[in-house]
Amino acid sequence: GESVGLHLPTLSVQEGDNSIINCAYSNSASDYFIWYKQESGKGPQFIIDIRSNMDKRQGQRVTVLLNKTVKHLSLQIAATQPGDSAVYFCAENWNTGRRALTFGSGTRLQVQP
Amino acid sequence: GAGVSQSPSNKVTEKGKDVELRCDPISGHTALYWYRQSLGQGLEFLIYFQGNSAPDKSGLPSDRFSAERTGGSVSTLTIQRTQQEDSAVYLCASSLGTGEETQYFGPGTRLLVL
Repeated sequence: GESVGLHLPTLSVQEGDNSIINCAYSNSASDYFIWYKQESGKGPQFIIDIRSNMDKRQGQRVTVLLNKTVKHLSLQIAATQPGDSAVYFCAENWNTGRRALTFGSGTRLQVQP
Repeated sequence: GAGVSQSPSNKVTEKGKDVELRCDPISGHTALYWYRQSLGQGLEFLIYFQGNSAPDKSGLPSDRFSAERTGGSVSTLTIQRTQQEDSAVYLCASSLGTGEETQYFGPGTRLLVL
């Protein structure tokens, strides 16, 4: 069935480096994508979103790229900090009345000092 | 303003007992969602409320699960005759419901069924 998946379950980076977390989606009808950050023992925290009519969106230290041709989504974190260590989920939403999100299984980002 | 709140934060129960989990959405948000997160897994959709419309229950795993939303605000998720496989973190989210799809999550309720 349609699903959202992640390429790497764990990503380890050095503090100050840039991080790239990837996500593949298979539902071509998806029109909205979100990245969430989840720290241990907490609920998911919204990071950044992007609509299907865009291919890039920037926030503070984060950039989301959307490639609809290959159904690929990525989250770039600039100058990664220890506080960025968490599990990152991509989620997709397609145009149904429900608007519920379909989540990937997550990527753990570990920032080494 | 305050974010989404959930209670209790942790719940330990015995197999076969019923449990109720509560969610207070962000004030003014008309859409409310329940998700379940098993250990080390992504989030699984359970149920969705939008205003006064009939809820979308398509994600509920069995008829032991039910949810209500009173007055368009607070929601309660009830699990009857709990089983060990029900152990998970139950997350609630809300959104404006006006076409803005960003969902804001609460801290979750960690349920352990012994």
